[in-house]
Amino acid sequence: QVQLQESGPGLVKPSQTLSLTCTVSGGSISSGGYYWSWIRQHPGKGLEWIGYIYNNGRTYYNPSLMSRITMSVDTSQNQFSLKLSSVTAADTAVYFCARRDSSSGSLFDYWGQGTLVTVSS
Amino acid sequence: QSALTQPPSASGSPGQSVTISCTGTSNDIGRFDYVSWYQQHPGEVPKLMIYQVSERPSGVPDRFSGSKSGNTASLTVSGLQAEDEADYYCSSYAGSNTWEVFGGGTKLTVL
Repeated sequence: QVQLQESGPGLVKPSQTLSLTCTVSGGSISSGGYYWSWIRQHPGKGLEWIGYIYNNGRTYYNPSLMSRITMSVDTSQNQFSLKLSSVTAADTAVYFCARRDSSSGSLFDYWGQGTLVTVSS
Repeated sequence: QSALTQPPSASGSPGQSVTISCTGTSNDIGRFDYVSWYQQHPGEVPKLMIYQVSERPSGVPDRFSGSKSGNTASLTVSGLQAEDEADYYCSSYAGSNTWEVFGGGTKLTVL
């Protein structure tokens, strides 16, 4: 059973960089056909796709966030990471990491529990 | 504003059927058969209910079904049960540059 777990600061100051890591267990991040994803949910709102990364490091970003996003993958640690720069209060959200399975189209089949990140001074 | 349009709410009585729509464009739902639906109970993680328009992952009751016509996908929940009360989100693959889009979510209430 694949499990994902987000980690990182729960409070970030405005204009700073939000940094989160997702640790994958029960499966290898190097396995083909999977894209390792970040999705966020603003308080009381819907889901917003942030981006995903393949095991070779190729990234795919939400065009509306592209200028502020950097994703990376560490296959040796079975982790992938998100950096979101120049944050504002509008970036306050629950951030989920998830696995996108491309072998059956495009679906997010395993999710982390989510971590609330608050942007505030 | 979400890329895919869903009604904010839907409701039905136990045992009834309810259908939730998800409208996109010819660049996402209309172009790819890669529509998924997720169920989210309050405070919980989204759960995959339907993928590839109409496929059900193992463990998802066959009361849940999906379909697509043109630029609009639909999720139908038949034989409504109290535990079906949740938020439902659609998503679609959208190809190069946009990649993935979600709907704004529909709150399903079982009366």
